[in-house]
Amino acid sequence: ETVLTQSPATLSLSPGERATLSCRASQSVSSYLAWFQQKPGQAPRLLIYDASNRATGIPARFSGSGSGTDFTLTISSVEPEDFAVYYCHQRSNGPYTFGQGTKLEIK
Amino acid sequence: QVQLVQSGTEVKKPGASVNLSCKASGYTFTSNYMHWVRQAPGQGLEWMGMIYPRDDSTSYSQKFQGRVTMTRDTSTTTVYMELSSLRSEDTAVYYCVRDNWVFDYWGQGTLVTVSS
Repeated sequence: ETVLTQSPATLSLSPGERATLSCRASQSVSSYLAWFQQKPGQAPRLLIYDASNRATGIPARFSGSGSGTDFTLTISSVEPEDFAVYYCHQRSNGPYTFGQGTKLEIK
Repeated sequence: QVQLVQSGTEVKKPGASVNLSCKASGYTFTSNYMHWVRQAPGQGLEWMGMIYPRDDSTSYSQKFQGRVTMTRDTSTTTVYMELSSLRSEDTAVYYCVRDNWVFDYWGQGTLVTVSS
């Protein structure tokens, strides 16, 4: 199966700072990579699909890039509501897999 | 608007089975695959499998093969996920997720606790 490795495990930032989250795949997933945000007690929310496309209603401060095996989620200026856990997900190779998550916490 | 409404909390003993439901509304039920994803307490997300309501075809993660069965009822636009031979490691929140070439809508989740 395709293993997705996210880094860092925890990212401590202050509001207004730039956040850069990484996701590396053990084999190519082309551009079939998505990013989800999850807050405590809630279901995940789709942020980015096909590596770089923002989902409906997602603010422009969220952007995604990459292809093949290396992907990045960037939050240009972190807002208080952005502190959460972020997961990457691939649907290129069966079985579908998720990364282990990056927790974005308030510094 | 698209809604996925899941059944309520379950408490089961080891060795038992659980059958969860997910009622879909707001779109053409037979047009989209439905997936099941679970999340153990404090852990990440794990894909279990999927069903295509149009023809009832399924595909399961090898990890759950033999223990999981996904079905659908087109008359009530509901998908079901049965997991058998439950063990403590199956304690998790189970989500149904609509596939619109992306996982765009998620149910609210159902907590399943397996404990003797």
